[in-house]
Amino acid sequence: AQTVTQSQPEMSVQEAETVTLSCTYDTSESDYYLFWYKQPPSRQMILVIRQEAYKQQNATENRFSVNFQKAAKSFSLKISDSQLGDAAMYFCAYGRFGNEKLTFGTGTRLTIIP
Amino acid sequence: DAGVIQSPRHEVTEMGQEVTLRCKPISGHDYLFWYRQTMMRGLELLIYFNNNVPIDDSGMPEDRFSAKMPNASFSTLKIQPSEPRDSAVYFCASLSGSGNEQFFGPGTRLTVL
Repeated sequence: AQTVTQSQPEMSVQEAETVTLSCTYDTSESDYYLFWYKQPPSRQMILVIRQEAYKQQNATENRFSVNFQKAAKSFSLKISDSQLGDAAMYFCAYGRFGNEKLTFGTGTRLTIIP
Repeated sequence: DAGVIQSPRHEVTEMGQEVTLRCKPISGHDYLFWYRQTMMRGLELLIYFNNNVPIDDSGMPEDRFSAKMPNASFSTLKIQPSEPRDSAVYFCASLSGSGNEQFFGPGTRLTVL
């Protein structure tokens, strides 16, 4: 079974600084997707960024980027120029290609220090 | 589009009562998922549907839980009888068959006293 591990229950960063959230996963599949979801205090789950495993290029979305290391099964999220609105729980998720189910990590709570 | 709609947003009930949570997926989406989120267990997939048909209900905790999707625009998750350990936030999400992003509803916070 696939597992997703987020080893940092909590992280904090100064406003305007850069922070990296870690995620590792375990799979025997070669085709899959990886996602980072954000859950602010409103509890709404919002997709931040996604990565297709067959793509070597790391995905970027404005201030958010990933470092995808397929061989190491690592998928970290980098947030640049952190803003107060980035404060939230961040969940890493894995989805096998052709299977719609997602497996979520336990989340990392990110605090932004003004 | 209004996104995934869930009702109610909050539900407080007493142990033993029946609880029904409702979800309206995004129009045109083929898949619908029910998740439960707790501090102890995180985000768990309970069941999901494809074209109104249940595909995988292996995450449903026990027979007290049931889910239906009578049509493409409506699904229910029912707990009967409810127990205090069912207290959690329940999310509904939908997915287009041509995409890979699950869109989540705002969740229902259920408290069973």
